[in-house]
Amino acid sequence: EVHLLESGGGLVQPGGSLRLSCAASGFTFSNYAMTWVRQAPGKGLEWVSAIRESGDRTFYADSVKGRFTISRDNSKNTLYLQMNSLRAEDTAVYYCAKSPGRLGLFDFWGQGTLVTVSS
Amino acid sequence: QSVLTQPPSVSAAPGQKVTISCSGSSSNIGNNYVSWYQQLPGTAPKLLIYDNNKRPSGIPDRFSGSKSGTSATLGITGLQTGDEADYYCGTWDSSLSVGVFGGGTKLTVL
Repeated sequence: EVHLLESGGGLVQPGGSLRLSCAASGFTFSNYAMTWVRQAPGKGLEWVSAIRESGDRTFYADSVKGRFTISRDNSKNTLYLQMNSLRAEDTAVYYCAKSPGRLGLFDFWGQGTLVTVSS
Repeated sequence: QSVLTQPPSVSAAPGQKVTISCSGSSSNIGNNYVSWYQQLPGTAPKLLIYDNNKRPSGIPDRFSGSKSGTSATLGITGLQTGDEADYYCGTWDSSLSVGVFGGGTKLTVL
């Protein structure tokens, strides 16, 4: 059974940093691209970033480019999102999702981790 | 402002049928597969339809998808109160090299 478990969320001050993790199990992690999607309180889904199976290619939304870095450790079956220079508008639940076969498709999602940026 | 356009809300009575539209452009829906996601209150999104019209295992055939040009449609027949949720369309934008979602449609089963 596929399982994705996000962690690392919490309260951080504007300008601060946070690193999210997503522990994957139940599938061969290194065979799949992975994605971060966020959802601000009461708002819709926003695609944030994606990374190819080997980690050689990464993609970012304009809203986070230059501030967020996606990475993965296939030996640990773990996806990461390093978030720097955080802003109030980054406040959201962050989901990691598995992308089977193509970017832009997400067949399994984690339960999400809440990031709150506030002073 | 979402790249893909969905109606904010739709409603219908139990047992009836409803459709939710998703409009995009040639760089996203026009040249890529569309997927649909259901988000029940307080839960993570769940894949409902992929590759325009395919259903993952376990998704009932009451749910269907179609695509024509730069638009896609989700159909739900035999509406149940348990179908009340937010529905999102999604795809890849080949020009921007980013994933894109619609703004979401809240389904109310009256």
